[in-house]
Amino acid sequence: GQQLNQSPQSMFIQEGEDVSMNCTSSSIFNTWLWYKQDPGEGPVLLIALYKAGELTSNGRLTAQFGITRKDSFLNISASIPSDVGIYFCAGPGYNFNKFYFGSGTKLNVKP
Amino acid sequence: DAGITQSPRHKVTETGTPVTLRCHQTENHRYMYWYRQDPGHGLRLIHYSYGVKDTDKGEVSDGYSVSRSKTEDFLLTLESATSSQTSVYFCAIRNPGQNTEAFFGQGTRLTVV
Repeated sequence: GQQLNQSPQSMFIQEGEDVSMNCTSSSIFNTWLWYKQDPGEGPVLLIALYKAGELTSNGRLTAQFGITRKDSFLNISASIPSDVGIYFCAGPGYNFNKFYFGSGTKLNVKP
Repeated sequence: DAGITQSPRHKVTETGTPVTLRCHQTENHRYMYWYRQDPGHGLRLIHYSYGVKDTDKGEVSDGYSVSRSKTEDFLLTLESATSSQTSVYFCAIRNPGQNTEAFFGQGTRLTVV
């Protein structure tokens, strides 16, 4: 299957700091999606990217679709305690049927 | 919230017993997925369905079977549960196409003792 590698695996930051995480793929993706999972819940979509080079924001979150189509980046500015959770990159496979997820970045925010 | 219901939400079962998890949707989405989530592995695809009676394997399908007899329901069966299948299982739904997102249920926590 298509592999999605996320880094870092986990982050411990102070409230107010900015956060960056990324996702790389072994093959080209035509869509990149970023999800957040709160404890005890299913993942929820944060941002969707559909074009190489695209930069999209959702409040304090900004994500970019890499030019090579093999990577994507998510930035969170001025983190707050409710940003705590696991962030996943995801996307459909080459035949659009399968839907793959990265291994996740666990974010901890210290008040 | 997307209309996805997983049942049961929690289950403890013994090794060797059969277990069936149910995913029910009210959104009429064509695709349905089963994932398992384990620490350090993210969400791994077990099986998926692209229509009624149409299913295919994901990356970690060994020991699991699925069935989809109607659009609304996608069942995941562990024929003989093992301790390695202790996990949190998520169902997701999605419409076909390149630019469509997946919506998730709340998960089923399964413990095999």
